[in-house]
Parts: sequence; structure tokens; C-alpha cells
Amino acid sequence: DGGITQSPKYLFRKEGQNVTLSCEQNLNHDAMYWYRQDPGQGLRLIYYSQIVNDFQKGDIAEGYSVSREKKESFPLTVTSAQKNPTAFYLCASRRTQGNSYNEQFFGPGTRLTVL
Amino acid sequence: AQTVTQSQPEMSVQEAETVTLSCTYDTSESNYYLFWYKQPPSRQMILVIRQEAYKQQNATENRFSVNFQKAAKSFSLKISDSQLGDTAMYFCAFMNRDDKIIFGKGTRLHILP
Repeated sequence: DGGITQSPKYLFRKEGQNVTLSCEQNLNHDAMYWYRQDPGQGLRLIYYSQIVNDFQKGDIAEGYSVSREKKESFPLTVTSAQKNPTAFYLCASRRTQGNSYNEQFFGPGTRLTVL
Repeated sequence: AQTVTQSQPEMSVQEAETVTLSCTYDTSESNYYLFWYKQPPSRQMILVIRQEAYKQQNATENRFSVNFQKAAKSFSLKISDSQLGDTAMYFCAFMNRDDKIIFGKGTRLHILP
């Protein structure tokens, strides 16, 4: 089946530790995105990547880092510099070729809790 | 910077009624794309409907339709004959030419039996 996977579904970490969230897609999409969702805040863009080996900061990139070494993978690292990392994280991908307003497809999300 | 505003944090309607969710956005671009996404309790994001800014005709998908007013920068979603399964968070989203997609804060919609 084609789709986006995020693992794990729930993640617990101690304060001060870096943690990496996985996002993999087999849809052959060029663009990938990371969002953070907090109650009452909607989805806020952390980073996005339009092509392999390139990515751009979103609106709340501080305390996060990403890499895009492969088309199908876009891992997000939540560093100890992120002051309030507990949140629900959503990964998405989108085909940028062809129809220009292709929608995003989302993964099931990862709930990160920092203790 | 582009912004998306959903002014209704929460709404409730009776089953089979029609409900309209509002969305306004701010941009200086002339060509862009707009989306409505649904997030049910499972938290899986699902596309409801989309609209290209250069198209004047309002998009329709079965019971879902939009009222797109480009000059007013308004993009409301109308749900007709609402069903219990429509209960969800609804997010309005804006996409520019750089593939950056910005979401509003969402409207929590309750369909009451």
C-alpha cells in the first residue's frame, strides 16, 4: 500500500535529550513537510523540503532540525533547545509535478511527551 | 507573510442541518491554492475540498462546497445535510507558489443527533 508512515505513534523522552521522529513515504512525492499541532494552535509548519538535499524553515523551526538525504525519508530531530517539545507531530508529503495544486497527504502522527 | 484565520473555534449543529465554516486569509499573491482539511478523532488529516485562486467557479464535492470570494480573501466551507461522521476539526489551508502551506487554527465541529 502507498502512504506515509510515522513511527513511533507515542514517544517519551526525558528533558534535555534529543529525539528523532521518523517519516517515510512511498508515494514518490517530491515535497515533504513537518507540522506541530498543539491544542488551539492548529498546525504550525516546522520545516519543509521540496527536493532531496534541500529544505526550508517554516514558522517555528527553532529547536528543530531535519535532513532530506533520500526522497522517501524526512526525519525530524527535536533538540534540547526546543523549550516546549511536548506536542503532536504530523508529517506530510505532496506531489509537485503535474497538477500544481496537488494536496498534501498526511501520516498518522507521533505524540511526543517530554518528561 | 501569509496568514489564515478561522474565527469560529467551535460550532455545533443538528444532524441534517447545513453549516458554514468561515476562513479568511491574507496574501499579496495573485495565484495560490486553498484547501479544507478534516481531522476526525483519529487525528488522521483528510482532504475535503480544494480551490485554485484563478478559478472563479466555487468547488463542490458532494455535500461539501465552498464560497470563494477572492477580493474579500474569504474561503468558507458549507456542509449540507450534515452527518454524525462530519464531527471533526476542520482546517483551512493556504498554499503559495513556493509550496509552503499554512493552516488556520481550526474549527471544532460537533454534529448532534
